[in-house]
Amino acid sequence: EIVLTQSPGTLSLSPGERATLSCRASQSVSSSYLAWYQQKPGQAPRLLIYGASSRATGIPDRFSGSGSGTDFTLTISRLEPEDFAVYYCQQYGSSTETFGQGTKVEIK
Amino acid sequence: QVQLVQSGAEVKKPGASVKVSCKASGYTFTSYDINWVRQATGQGLEWMGWMNPNSGNTGYAQKFQGRVTMTRNTSISTAYMELSSLRSEDTAVYYCARGGGAPTNWGQGTLVTVSS
Repeated sequence: EIVLTQSPGTLSLSPGERATLSCRASQSVSSSYLAWYQQKPGQAPRLLIYGASSRATGIPDRFSGSGSGTDFTLTISRLEPEDFAVYYCQQYGSSTETFGQGTKVEIK
Repeated sequence: QVQLVQSGAEVKKPGASVKVSCKASGYTFTSYDINWVRQATGQGLEWMGWMNPNSGNTGYAQKFQGRVTMTRNTSISTAYMELSSLRSEDTAVYYCARGGGAPTNWGQGTLVTVSS
């Protein structure tokens, strides 16, 4: 199974700053079948990005995804107060889908 | 609008089984796969498997093979996930989600507590 490793574990930033989250796969992710989710306490995950770089419906353009193969990045260009949350990457290109362990973006 | 409404919280003893339901509305139930994902308290997301509501075909994560069964009742647009031989480590919130691969719509989650 493909193991996804997210870094850093925690990112401490201020509103207005840029956030860069990394997701590294143990083997190449087929056809860039990589997604990013945001999760807030007590809520279900929310799909942000699919296909490595396509924004889901209704997702603000300050969220962007990039990468291919084994290295992927989620960038939040300017953090808004509502963006402080946990972010997960997920690969769905193999028969067993897997999630990364998450990156918490917290207010500095 | 698309909605997935899950059944309520459950408390089970070790060794028992639990069956969680996920009732879909706002779209054609048989047109989208249903995925199941769980999350232990304070932990990350864990994919359990998928089901095609049209064919009934399923695919399970190896970790759950032999213990999980995903089924559906198309007449009431409801998917089910049954997990057997429960142990304390199965205590988690269980989510259903619509769509193969990167699901766009998620249920509210069902807390399953396994405790003697």
